[in-house]
Order: sequence, then C-alpha cells, then structure tokens
Amino acid sequence: AQSVTQPDIHITVSEGASLELRCNYSYGATPYLFWYVQSPGQGLQLLLKYFSGDTLVQGIKGFEAEFKRSQSSFNLRKPSVHWSDAAEYFCAVGAQGGSEKLVFGKGTKLTVNP
Amino acid sequence: DAGVIQSPRHEVTEMGQEVTLRCKPISGHNSLFWYRQTMMRGLELLIYFNNNVPIDDSGMPEDRFSAKMPNASFSTLKIQPSEPRDSAVYFCASMHAGANQPQHFGDGTRLSIL
Repeated sequence: AQSVTQPDIHITVSEGASLELRCNYSYGATPYLFWYVQSPGQGLQLLLKYFSGDTLVQGIKGFEAEFKRSQSSFNLRKPSVHWSDAAEYFCAVGAQGGSEKLVFGKGTKLTVNP
Repeated sequence: DAGVIQSPRHEVTEMGQEVTLRCKPISGHNSLFWYRQTMMRGLELLIYFNNNVPIDDSGMPEDRFSAKMPNASFSTLKIQPSEPRDSAVYFCASMHAGANQPQHFGDGTRLSIL
C-alpha cells in the first residue's frame, strides 16, 4: 500500500533561515506528489505538485521541491523563511497514479522565531 | 473566484444526534472528496465522487456515515447517530478530473460531539 512519511513532527527555524522539510513515499510506479500547507483554522492550500518531467518543481510563496526517485523523496525547500510561513505542511502521494486517492503524511509543524 | 465552501464551520452537538455537513465545490469541478482530520490518524479520505457518482467509499468508517451528491454543486456528509469519537475536522475538496489536476480544499467543519 502507498504511504508517506514525514519524519519531522515539528521544526523550528529563525526568520531568514533556510528550510527543508522531508518527505519519503512508498509507491511502486511514478508517483504524483504534492505539498500542501495548512494555517490554523483553515483548509489545505496547494504549494506545488509533481507529475512528471523536471524533477525540481517551483511552487507558490517561494517554495520548491525536488523529486528524487532513487531516494523515494520529495523534500520541500525555501531559501529564506518568513514569519508568515509558520503553519503545518503536508506531503501527499496520489495512490493510484493520479490525483484522486491522495495518501497524506502526518504533517510537519513549522514554527518561525523572530 | 469562489473556492470550496463548507458549512457549518463549527458544529457542537450531543451524541446520538444527526449531523449534516455541507459542501459546495468549485464551479466546473466534477470530482468531490470528503476527508476527516484527527490528531491520531491525520487526514483520511472518506469518500469521493466523480460526476456526482460515488466512486470509492472504502474510507467511510461505519454505516452511521453516509454521503450524497444530488447535483454538481452540492454534497452532504451525514452522521447518524453521532458519537464522541466522530469529533474531528471534516474537509471537502474538489477537482477537475483529468490529467495533472490537484485537489482544492475548503476550510473545513470542526465537529465536536459531546
């Protein structure tokens, strides 16, 4: 069965520092991969997605992610974090090679110190 | 553009009562999803529809849960009778079914069963 692991439950960084959130997936074929962000009391907002092609994907709010098939990873990065980036981040894989049955990781909560 | 609209945003009721959650998908989207989010289990897909037809309800926890989509612009998730363990945040998402399309989430309904 497909699965997604986000090893870090909680990460704290200082404003202006770089950020990398880890995501490992288990899926037999080429996966559809997503990163979503959830602010308190709100729904999930899509940051970026990978379906095929260039393995470095650019998203909104200055985020990017790199698909590494050999490591089954899809880590999210940002070169300089802003206080408004504090939220919970979810990685997801399309369980049937599409966007319908998404399997989500448990999330990583990001705290940004001033 | 209007996003996915869910109502109510918050619901508090006593166990045994019937609960109905509502969702209006983004206009033009023909796939609709219901998720449940809890601290213990994270985000779980309950059911999804394509063109108003239920495609996969394998995530629906029990017969107490039912979902309908009478038309392309409205869906309900009903719990009858409700139990305290149903307390969670319930999200609706919609998508234009097709290649390389992501899901768009509503802001959720926070349900508390006393």
